[in-house]
Amino acid sequence: DGGITQSPKYLFRKEGQNVTLSCEQNLNHDAMYWYRQDPGQGLRLIYYSQIVNDFQKGDIAEGYSVSREKKESFPLTVTSAQKNPTAFYLCASKAGGRATSIQYFGAGTRLSVL
Amino acid sequence: GENVEQHPSTLSVQEGDSAVIKCTYSDSASNYFPWYKQELGKGPQLIIDIRSNVGEKKDQRIAVTLNKTAKHFSLHITETQPEDSAVYFCAASRGNAGGTSYGKLTFGQGTILTVHP
Repeated sequence: DGGITQSPKYLFRKEGQNVTLSCEQNLNHDAMYWYRQDPGQGLRLIYYSQIVNDFQKGDIAEGYSVSREKKESFPLTVTSAQKNPTAFYLCASKAGGRATSIQYFGAGTRLSVL
Repeated sequence: GENVEQHPSTLSVQEGDSAVIKCTYSDSASNYFPWYKQELGKGPQLIIDIRSNVGEKKDQRIAVTLNKTAKHFSLHITETQPEDSAVYFCAASRGNAGGTSYGKLTFGQGTILTVHP
């Protein structure tokens, strides 16, 4: 999975609870992304960050929050406001500049509601 | 925003046959088109990509074609093998065009490819 580590692999959330998914990369990439994957659907962008201390909402940001305090880390918090959080969450990263647009993905975190 | 449609949703072939997956996109400014392979329980992995300044790209048994005028691109897998069985996703983006869409990929819905021995 190319230097992107997501943890935990499986996560369970109780009603009304916030949970945080970890994403760490050692590729020295500037940009990082969070996607949500539901069965039979493509990946949908939740949030992305081009540089440290900056991030932008994606297509489905409601009920989620992120931070980018360090270049190698981009944690995603699934808040209690996200009413349907059960999904497979994927983190990706990409080198900055014009040399490449390739996004590399982690192995994912599967989140379920208890 | 960009919209990517992918067909078929499922594809079943016999080992040794060819497989073709097609995608259409809506944003004429898109200039980068990657294809990802996702095995069960894993993250997607890039298998091939193409930029808008070329019409075709090959890598061993895999090829991708792009028709900018019609705004569609296709993945071709020849001499399929059972290990090719996976979910395949196409995607489109404006690449490194900058602005708020910097590096943002829009994915198709995915194709479940099954190769029967």
